[in-house]
Amino acid sequence: DTGVSQDPRHKITKRGQNVTFRCDPISEHNRLYWYRQTLGQGPEFLTYFQNEAQLEKSRLLSDRFSAERPKGSFSTLEIQRTEQGDSAMYLCASSPRGGPYNEQFFGPGTRLTVL
Amino acid sequence: AQSVTQLGSHVSVSEGALVLLRCNYSSSVPPYLFWYVQYPNQGLQLLLKYTSAATLVKGINGFEAEFKKSETSFHLTKPSAHMSDAAEYFCAVSDPIQGAQKLVFGQGTRLTINP
Repeated sequence: DTGVSQDPRHKITKRGQNVTFRCDPISEHNRLYWYRQTLGQGPEFLTYFQNEAQLEKSRLLSDRFSAERPKGSFSTLEIQRTEQGDSAMYLCASSPRGGPYNEQFFGPGTRLTVL
Repeated sequence: AQSVTQLGSHVSVSEGALVLLRCNYSSSVPPYLFWYVQYPNQGLQLLLKYTSAATLVKGINGFEAEFKKSETSFHLTKPSAHMSDAAEYFCAVSDPIQGAQKLVFGQGTRLTINP
């Protein structure tokens, strides 16, 4: 198993542009999470999927953000009309079905810079 | 709501010295607690987790943590620091969401090892 992968690793964009990130979870992990990490802070939860269903969204996820997980495999996170405040590391994690203390396996993240 | 406070954003120790990283939590339900490590430009890796089975938890790379309910603490220790331990360390508490748990992270502690 190659672990959680994310693409791209780095993205530089101009304010107002749209960006899309992809996350490929560990195969057979039915739970997928998105977190955002700004400089000097711990990751903050954005949203959660169980299979293809988006079951939880943070208030941090404004209407400019949308996430999908078609067919319950990979997931995409799109940010429309990017703002400088969106600059951050976007982390994806996956975990298997099971108890509440199952480990979340994190990908390397996508670092977004909005100019 | 669940929360985590990490005391000390930066900790510096000499190689071979004791490592102590502090974490205090607040939880309205019996907590599940985690320590993650993040190396530069990488995702988070699980060091250890507390799941109520034992109060002293041993993890990878010689780290361990002790759950103290009376002090609401889950401090991370390692008897002898190694240069390769230099990284950012995050304490996290699980927070129930629909069908799963999200992680609530502290702000992180950057560990520097002096030769």
